[in-house]
Amino acid sequence: QKEVEQNSGPLSVPEGAIASLNCTYSDRGSQSFFWYRQYSGKSPELIMSIYSNGDKEDGRFTAQLNKASQYVSLLIRDSQPSDSATYLCAVNILSTSGTYKYIFGTGTRLKVLA
Amino acid sequence: EAGVAQSPRYKIIEKRQSVAFWCNPISGHATLYWYQQILGQGPKLLIQFQNNGVVDDSQLPKDRFSAERLKGVDSTLKIQPAKLEDSAVYLCASSRTGAGETQYFGPGTRLLVL
Repeated sequence: QKEVEQNSGPLSVPEGAIASLNCTYSDRGSQSFFWYRQYSGKSPELIMSIYSNGDKEDGRFTAQLNKASQYVSLLIRDSQPSDSATYLCAVNILSTSGTYKYIFGTGTRLKVLA
Repeated sequence: EAGVAQSPRYKIIEKRQSVAFWCNPISGHATLYWYQQILGQGPKLLIQFQNNGVVDDSQLPKDRFSAERLKGVDSTLKIQPAKLEDSAVYLCASSRTGAGETQYFGPGTRLLVL
């Protein structure tokens, strides 16, 4: 089982709709969770971070975390063509050596259709 | 605040040649990461430094890859000799303490090995 799993997509949604991106992780000791957006040919940029169960909202973005189900999601409301990108889920875990490390999923490609 | 700087942005070499990448993290960030991102995949951690010490290099192919972070600031990643499968984007990232907070990425170096 992969440590962080995402559906590679593409996920196609019409402009103005809600895009729902999902991520599951295997390590129950995961500490913190991040969503990055990566445009083609660019480096990842942070969208949201979430550390505790529940929802966290920032503008059109909502991150949802359920540690019991080992599941984190990202909702994008009023999707715009400019949201078309790959969305990477990253999980931060405390390794056996006592250091924190980030594990990335393969990313979900989102296409917002005008 | 200046972001993470990387150079060069692009590099084309032939197999068996050597190449080096440079990274300067955000000022004051103690933790520096080198990732390899192959097309269509998420970033894979190669090496993580805490100040000038290595805390994780478990996925670094040590027979050909080396990295250093002298004086706990900027860092160099070297590949010698390069193989075709090393063609990828090499991303440098930094975070303030490495204890689960956000990491920020540089623009990346795109390497093509012919």
